Amino acid sequence: DAMVIQNPRYQVTQFGKPVTLSCSQTLNHNVMYWYQQKSSQAPKLLFHYYDKDFNNEADTPDNFQSRRPNTSFCFLDIRSPGLGDAAMYLCATSRVRGDEQFFGPGTRLTVL
Amino acid sequence: AQSVTQLDSQVPVFEEAPVELRCNYSSSVSVYLFWYVQYPNQGLQLLLKYLSGSTLVKGINGFEAEFNKSQTSFHLRKPSVHISDTAEYFCAVSQSGNTPLVFGKGTRLSVIA
Repeated sequence: DAMVIQNPRYQVTQFGKPVTLSCSQTLNHNVMYWYQQKSSQAPKLLFHYYDKDFNNEADTPDNFQSRRPNTSFCFLDIRSPGLGDAAMYLCATSRVRGDEQFFGPGTRLTVL
Repeated sequence: AQSVTQLDSQVPVFEEAPVELRCNYSSSVSVYLFWYVQYPNQGLQLLLKYLSGSTLVKGINGFEAEFNKSQTSFHLRKPSVHISDTAEYFCAVSQSGNTPLVFGKGTRLSVIA
């Protein structure tokens, strides 16, 4: 089945220690998104790629970076995680911007 | 810029009763509208979407929604809920498919046995 895969499902890191979350897709979609979701809140868009074109949201902290080496993979890098970065991180894809988004199961990040 | 308002943060309802989850959006242009469901510790799953055409949209798990342009609403309904419908529900809008989705704050549906 075509799908969006996120690894790992659970990630524990230490305060200030860089961490990378990964997302892959078999849908061959042009657009890949990264969201941060804290408990009982809506997903907050961090950035998205339309093909190789990177689009950062205005309020996304510089601590968050992303890479998309090819159509299938996208990475979220948190350079110096703080306690406030503990959250669920969701990856999603869509054929074009504004179209239906397909979500991965998420990676729950814990910062100690 | 478009925005989405989900009027109820929590909706408790008894099993087999009907439910309506309300969603209003603000946009001056044509929009696409979506409802997603999120179960604990999972990603979001699409329930249904409105792109154009018939204003009554049927989705998975017996849910439906009606697009009302004059009231800028896209309320989600189900005639008889089950315990398994307990989850968080998000309404989302995009500007005619040209912009990323904007999500509402969510409505937590709790079905009581």
